[in-house]
Amino acid sequence: DGGITQSPKYLFRKEGQNVTLSCEQNLNHDAMYWYRQDPGQGLRLIYYSQIVNDFQKGDIAEGYSVSREKKESFPLTVTSAQKNPTAFYLCASSPRTGGVEKLFFGSGTQLSVL
Amino acid sequence: GEDVEQSLFLSVREGDSSVINCTYTDSSSTYLYWYKQEPGAGLQLLTYIFSNMDMKQDQRLTVLLNKKDKHLSLRIADTQTGDSAIYFCAEIVGGYNKLIFGAGTRLAVHP
Repeated sequence: DGGITQSPKYLFRKEGQNVTLSCEQNLNHDAMYWYRQDPGQGLRLIYYSQIVNDFQKGDIAEGYSVSREKKESFPLTVTSAQKNPTAFYLCASSPRTGGVEKLFFGSGTQLSVL
Repeated sequence: GEDVEQSLFLSVREGDSSVINCTYTDSSSTYLYWYKQEPGAGLQLLTYIFSNMDMKQDQRLTVLLNKKDKHLSLRIADTQTGDSAIYFCAEIVGGYNKLIFGAGTRLAVHP
């Protein structure tokens, strides 16, 4: 089945630790995105990538880093510089880099601080 | 500025209609979307409407768009317990797929 796979489903971070959230898609989509979801707030864009080896900052990129070495994969690293990392993280992809396309979402990773 | 606002909670009786409202600020938005999120899951696209349309119907779902007031609504007919979820309104801005999401409306369906 085609889709977006995020792992792990739950992740715990210790003080000062970097953690990486995985996002893999087999939909052959060009664009991929990372969103952060906090209770009672809308989704906020962290980073997005429209093509392999290229990515741009979203609205809340500070304390996060990404890479896009393969079309299928767009991992997100939450660094120790992110002081409030507890949130639900959603990865999404879309089939074209421009124009109107629908976003397909993964099932999310809940990150908590120990 | 870019902003999408929704009420946070709606409770309806099973079998009744639900109406979820949304206001947006970017008058240049070409498409507006409704997404559904079930607990612990990602978002699922329910429906979308192009900005030159006033209404779109898809089975139990009716989307109404008032472009003058920048108001969008989602009506769910014959609401079922399986419709209990968070519903997000979103507008597309810019030349790429940047979506601005509202905070989501939690729909609770009771017997």
